[in-house]
Amino acid sequence: AQSVTQLGSHVSVSEGALVLLRCNYSSSVPPYLFWYVQYPNQGLQLLLKYTTGATLVKGINGFEAEFKKSETSFHLTKPSAHMSDAAEYFCAVSGSSGSARQLTFGSGTQLTVLP
Amino acid sequence: DSGVTQTPKHLITATGQRVTLRCSPRSGDLSVYWYQQSLDQGLQFLIHYYNGEERAKGNILERFSAQQFPDLHSELNLSSLELGDSALYFCASSPPAGARTEAFFGQGTRLTVV
Repeated sequence: AQSVTQLGSHVSVSEGALVLLRCNYSSSVPPYLFWYVQYPNQGLQLLLKYTTGATLVKGINGFEAEFKKSETSFHLTKPSAHMSDAAEYFCAVSGSSGSARQLTFGSGTQLTVLP
Repeated sequence: DSGVTQTPKHLITATGQRVTLRCSPRSGDLSVYWYQQSLDQGLQFLIHYYNGEERAKGNILERFSAQQFPDLHSELNLSSLELGDSALYFCASSPPAGARTEAFFGQGTRLTVV
């Protein structure tokens, strides 16, 4: 069984400030971890993913995330927020076995960027 | 554009009715997943098809069913609709390269049951 907890359903930052969105997961098998972004009235777009290898992964639009097994965390960061980053962000986990490829999502974090 | 096409984009129907949502996966992708996004339940996995065969079921109601056709497009059938079925329904597809590949999502079908 897998689960994802995103701490903070709403996060506000000033333009140019650090963005930190928190994600903790639970998985009975080695996890694959993903961050997706959803803009209003649009589908989900992949920001980045961790499968194996380097634990610090870089994604699109300047985002990165670090897989910390000991903390069961996969927090998303961006050094400097832009107005265009305002959206809803979802952390997701899937199993590494073929029978567990579907995604389990967190409840999402709405990011607001203040001018 | 993810390459995953969902139709229709919007659907308004009455309680008790039946609707069909359609999904065309990216070229070459054999897996199709259906997800439901609602305000109270969030994003939930419904069902996974791989090359025409059902592979996994999630929180899918018995009133809902899906299938994947030989040309790999998929349909999600929702029947005896209730107000609570109003949601955004997403289809996603992924290539046959294994679990480490990401899923690509369509724009979704917004279903409103009145």
